[in-house]
Amino acid sequence: KAGVTQTPRYLIKTRGQQVTLSCSPISGHRSVSWYQQTPGQGLQFLFEYFSETQRNKGNFPGRFSGRQFSNSRSEMNVSTLELGDSALYLCASSPGTGGEFYGYTFGSGTRLTVV
Amino acid sequence: SQQGEEDPQALSIQEGENATMNCSYKTSINNLQWYRQNSGRGLVHLILIRSNEREKHSGRLRVTLDTSKKSSSLLITASRAADTASYFCATGDTGRRALTFGSGTRLQVQP
Repeated sequence: KAGVTQTPRYLIKTRGQQVTLSCSPISGHRSVSWYQQTPGQGLQFLFEYFSETQRNKGNFPGRFSGRQFSNSRSEMNVSTLELGDSALYLCASSPGTGGEFYGYTFGSGTRLTVV
Repeated sequence: SQQGEEDPQALSIQEGENATMNCSYKTSINNLQWYRQNSGRGLVHLILIRSNEREKHSGRLRVTLDTSKKSSSLLITASRAADTASYFCATGDTGRRALTFGSGTRLQVQP
């Protein structure tokens, strides 16, 4: 059974650019959540998608957006990159909405560096 | 904001010893979960304990939950060098559903 796949693994972007990260959840899982991990702020929730609808959103500016496709694959986009966006971005899938009830299976993450 | 706070922030032990890490949280929960993260990688789900449970075991892991004190502990028995990782507790605020992670405990097991 394939795990959660995140691409790319590493990314270097210039301030002001935009970036798109991709996540393929475990087959059959319909919920995808995104987290940002930094040394200073730890793991912070970005948003959750379930059946192509955003179900939950964290406290991030509108530069952070996402979407989910009919096959449950998800993308997140960050526009007008800032140096502070440098982080490990983690995608997590679960069978139903809310990792609270089912637990998450995480991908290996995308390491984004903004220079 | 972080719901859970782990204690200690860092822990260094010898192989074969037990490791105990604690988690405190602020609001009412339905369950509490523990995850492990090896350096720079994704998190791995270890165990989930429901609010009506007091103790749960999984292999060398033992988790306790005290909802009156809003705290949980994770015990790893007979630790191995491969247990070296960061450990996070996670809870979901009632109604919010998304998991909120604590700041983590960095465990170093010396061979």
